[in-house]
Amino acid sequence: GAGVSQSPSNKVTEKGKDVELRCDPISGHTALYWYRQSLGQGLEFLIYFQGNSAPDKSGLPSDRFSAERTGGSVSTLTIQRTQQEDSAVYLCASSPRLSGGNQPQHFGDGTRLSIL
Amino acid sequence: GESVGLHLPTLSVQEGDNSIINCAYSNSASDYFIWYKQESGKGPQFIIDIRSNMDKRQGQRVTVLLNKTVKHLSLQIAATQPGDSAVYFCAENIGSNYKLTFGKGTLLTVNP
Repeated sequence: GAGVSQSPSNKVTEKGKDVELRCDPISGHTALYWYRQSLGQGLEFLIYFQGNSAPDKSGLPSDRFSAERTGGSVSTLTIQRTQQEDSAVYLCASSPRLSGGNQPQHFGDGTRLSIL
Repeated sequence: GESVGLHLPTLSVQEGDNSIINCAYSNSASDYFIWYKQESGKGPQFIIDIRSNMDKRQGQRVTVLLNKTVKHLSLQIAATQPGDSAVYFCAENIGSNYKLTFGKGTLLTVNP
């Protein structure tokens, strides 16, 4: 597709369940980013990938969060044993290469995660 | 402006007026800035960017001004239209750093 695609668009699950969120970046974009946006807030950076490698995982809120990327394309963000405070919109972005200088990140429409 | 708690700064304008949205950034080492527009239920949409070696950049109906002395960024929208109603975020980036740091956003409402 022409833009960043995320699925599912909405996810409702019970506390304690695991969830998996998917991101398809823009074709040819080597850099991929995950952010979290809580209600009425700005974006909180979680993790980035350059190719399949995630050099810095320090933005992940806890060890319940993990992410992977395969084939330099699709990425999945997994949240284990979900808690109510994990409820947020999870946004994925991509750029032709790592942001720096003049590389705007292009965002998908996010996955709205609700933990009951 | 800065937000307090969950309440976003808001700007309400009449259709056809010019809008100015302000952003104070935090890091004097930031050298690249982006404005995003976010409509309800959508992801942020890139509007315009500017590097720190410039103080003004113009796009279609939009102008970004950068004042590095006071660490201030503004987005001017000419002839504001109802379709411009959205939350606007500024974001900053430092050098080759991969991370964008976002402000909390300003809600723009355009009255017909």
